[in-house]
Amino acid sequence: GQQVMQIPQYQHVQEGEDFTTYCNSSTTLSNIQWYKQRPGGHPVFLIQLVKSGEVKKQKRLTFQFGEAKKNSSLHITATQTTDVGTYFCAGGTTSGTYKYIFGTGTRLKVLA
Amino acid sequence: DGGITQSPKYLFRKEGQNVTLSCEQNLNHDAMYWYRQDPGQGLRLIYYSQIVNDFQKGDIAEGYSVSREKKESFPLTVTSAQKNPTAFYLCASSIAPVGSYEQYFGPGTRLTVT
Repeated sequence: GQQVMQIPQYQHVQEGEDFTTYCNSSTTLSNIQWYKQRPGGHPVFLIQLVKSGEVKKQKRLTFQFGEAKKNSSLHITATQTTDVGTYFCAGGTTSGTYKYIFGTGTRLKVLA
Repeated sequence: DGGITQSPKYLFRKEGQNVTLSCEQNLNHDAMYWYRQDPGQGLRLIYYSQIVNDFQKGDIAEGYSVSREKKESFPLTVTSAQKNPTAFYLCASSIAPVGSYEQYFGPGTRLTVT
């Protein structure tokens, strides 16, 4: 079946260091979304990418969607303690069933 | 305030009992979803509904049932047939059935079955 993998599973960084998580799908996606889940909380939508090769920025966060629409990345510049949490990608399927396949998530810890 | 409510936040049940988790939204969203999250893992889709009186199985529907009698409500029943029901259950909704809109998540229900 369709799978969406994320690497790394865990990442510990010193405050101020950069962080990147990668998302890879076994099939072509119609779009990709990114969510952040704080410890003990629920996922909160960050952004959606739709076009091949699309790049979007939100302050210190940069999101990319691959040319083949099978992979994506989230890069955080100069991490802060408020960035702590688990980051999930969610791939929109092209099969017409209108569901999302969530990645396994990357748990980020930021050391002050 | 508009949003999604799930109740209760924590739920404890004995093995062999069915249990129903509540999910209500006042966002006027057409689509609603149920996900299961296990420790250290991603979200797995249980059921989703694109419109009232219609719903589809997700990737792990066995042992679960849902109903969508009203636009704002999408309750999930965890039946005794679900072999490993202890998990964190998240309900979500999106503005339209087409899968290109952000999903709004509720606060979740942590179910423990012993």
